[in-house]
Amino acid sequence: GENVEQHPSTLSVQEGDSAVIKCTYSDSASNYFPWYKQELGKRPQLIIDIRSNVGEKKDQRIAVTLNKTAKHFSLHITETQPEDSAVYFCAASKSYGQNFVFGPGTRLSVLP
Amino acid sequence: EADIYQTPRYLVIGTGKKITLECSQTMGHDKMYWYQQDPGMELHLIHYSYGVNSTEKGDLSSESTVSRIRTEHFPLTLESARPSHTSQYLCASSTGTGKETQYFGPGTRLLVL
Repeated sequence: GENVEQHPSTLSVQEGDSAVIKCTYSDSASNYFPWYKQELGKRPQLIIDIRSNVGEKKDQRIAVTLNKTAKHFSLHITETQPEDSAVYFCAASKSYGQNFVFGPGTRLSVLP
Repeated sequence: EADIYQTPRYLVIGTGKKITLECSQTMGHDKMYWYQQDPGMELHLIHYSYGVNSTEKGDLSSESTVSRIRTEHFPLTLESARPSHTSQYLCASSTGTGKETQYFGPGTRLLVL
């Protein structure tokens, strides 16, 4: 079955710097890769997703890149702000009824 | 407003008690899920359902059971709560039609004494 690894497990950056979180997956048939943000005491919320027919997707300060050959995808946050501090989870799935496999999470701290 | 609702939000209960965690969604989604998560830690899938009368066990062994009698309702039951069940339980749903984005409920924090 699918296995998703995520690195780093914790990440501290200065406000205004960029943050990058990387995930690798094992099943080449996976074709949907969402990223979730979970703030302290809150529910995980989708922040961006990418499908395997696209190499990059951007939404304001966040972007996701996908390398299907290497089977890895990354979340990029630019101009980080304190409110970006949270735990970020990547996931991989195949379409049409397949469950997500989540990565173990990355705790991002943005220092003022 | 379409959303996922979980009750109770917090529960403190003694060992051996039977409890049911409620989850309902007004998203019109077919698929529903239960995850167990210690705060800020990994999400562990414990049960899921493709639709009415469909339930499956997830990756994490769990002593809980679920039912899906109505599309919008997916309750989780612990027949005999133990301290090891202390955790946060998150319910989620998705369309199950190819756009597989999962939407999470606010969670139930369970403390078993």
